[in-house]
Amino acid sequence: GDSVTQMEGPVTLSEEAFLTINCTYTATGYPSLFWYVQYPGEGLQLLLKATKADDKGSNKGFEATYRKETTSFHLEKGSVQVSDSAVYFCALSDNFSGGYQKVTFGTGTKLQVIP
Amino acid sequence: SQTIHQWPATLVQPVGSPLSLECTVEGTSNPNLYWYRQAAGRGLQLLFYSVGIGQISSEVPQNLSASRPQDRQFILSSKKLLLSDSGFYLCAWSPGSYEQYFGPGTRLTVT
Repeated sequence: GDSVTQMEGPVTLSEEAFLTINCTYTATGYPSLFWYVQYPGEGLQLLLKATKADDKGSNKGFEATYRKETTSFHLEKGSVQVSDSAVYFCALSDNFSGGYQKVTFGTGTKLQVIP
Repeated sequence: SQTIHQWPATLVQPVGSPLSLECTVEGTSNPNLYWYRQAAGRGLQLLFYSVGIGQISSEVPQNLSASRPQDRQFILSSKKLLLSDSGFYLCAWSPGSYEQYFGPGTRLTVT
């Protein structure tokens, strides 16, 4: 079945540092890939997405490139801010199955940015 | 634009009491709807999904149930709560494409 593996956290960075959160996946089809962000006490927000190989999703300074050859979708940001402190979830959605979109989530990576 | 609401935001219930959590979506029609549970420090577990009114599919057998009485309303229920039901409950909807959009969540503590 489908699976998503994320690097374990927590990740602690100083403000303005470079961020990479690794994500690799296993899927039988040609999935769409997502990064979600969850701030403390809140629901998940869609951060960015990519729907096919070599697509780059980007939003709010975050980027991730769909790498089919390495089955990866690593999240990067050039300069993190304290406000980026949150839990980040990598996810994939495979083709329609039973009329709904099954999304498989990673276990999440907690990011803490210190001033 | 579409919005998704959940209530209550927090809930403390004794073991053995009933549960009803509600989720509504505005600004769209015939969405797919989902209930997830997130245990402390862990990932998301899909509990139920629905592709239409009255159509509910369960992913994990447990003492919870779900209903969809209206197109944009999704309810999570239990007749008797267990301690293990504590967690953060998230409702989500999708418009027919691959991404899902989440509500603010309900923090349930069973004492």
